[in-house]
Amino acid sequence: DQQVKQNSPSLSVQEGRISILNCDYTNSMFDYFLWYKKYPAEGPTFLISISSIKDKNEDGRFTVFLNKSAKHLSLHIVPSQPGDSAVYFCAASRTYNFNKFYFGSGTKLNVKP
Amino acid sequence: NAGVTQTPKFRILKIGQSMTLQCTQDMNHNYMYWYRQDPGMGLKLIYYSVGAGITDKGEVPNGYNVSRSTTEDFPLRLELAAPSQTSVYFCASSSPGTGDPLHFGNGTRLTVT
Repeated sequence: DQQVKQNSPSLSVQEGRISILNCDYTNSMFDYFLWYKKYPAEGPTFLISISSIKDKNEDGRFTVFLNKSAKHLSLHIVPSQPGDSAVYFCAASRTYNFNKFYFGSGTKLNVKP
Repeated sequence: NAGVTQTPKFRILKIGQSMTLQCTQDMNHNYMYWYRQDPGMGLKLIYYSVGAGITDKGEVPNGYNVSRSTTEDFPLRLELAAPSQTSVYFCASSSPGTGDPLHFGNGTRLTVT
């Protein structure tokens, strides 16, 4: 049973526009969330995280929003660039319980020049 | 700084053969993990280790074994390869209790025929 779900396998946006990637989770005990970016033939690389004490975290062009009541988080990329084209995974865990990270199935983002 | 290094990058096995996937990290991280990623799926945790001499099962441990004799190395052993083990395998490490996310290697693509 998947505890973290990314229901959009792919997303295509124009360069300069906003990309919004979504992620839902079912376990209300999760309180630490991360986004990873993955290029072909490489391992996932950490992008941005958020803990449940916040509802927003920003890092440059990347912002993660957390809606605890809806068990939903989203990653906004503004403005999108062709180099952002990759697969994005969300992951969730209980705070500092690094034994158990649960990953979504990923969303493939294509940013068109 | 090499981070997490996995070898080999690719391998083809026949059914019933054995092999060891190697993983080493130079960040002095206590926690290490093995994940597998099947097409269209998220990463699933196979085994993890919280320190030298300590290992435990993740979500999908059947058909695999691990050992952790040093902080740096965390090999994954497949004893009797089966087609269901065809996947991409990722090793990761982290430093617990600091909010540090997982650091991944570049993966090993394994095909069992």
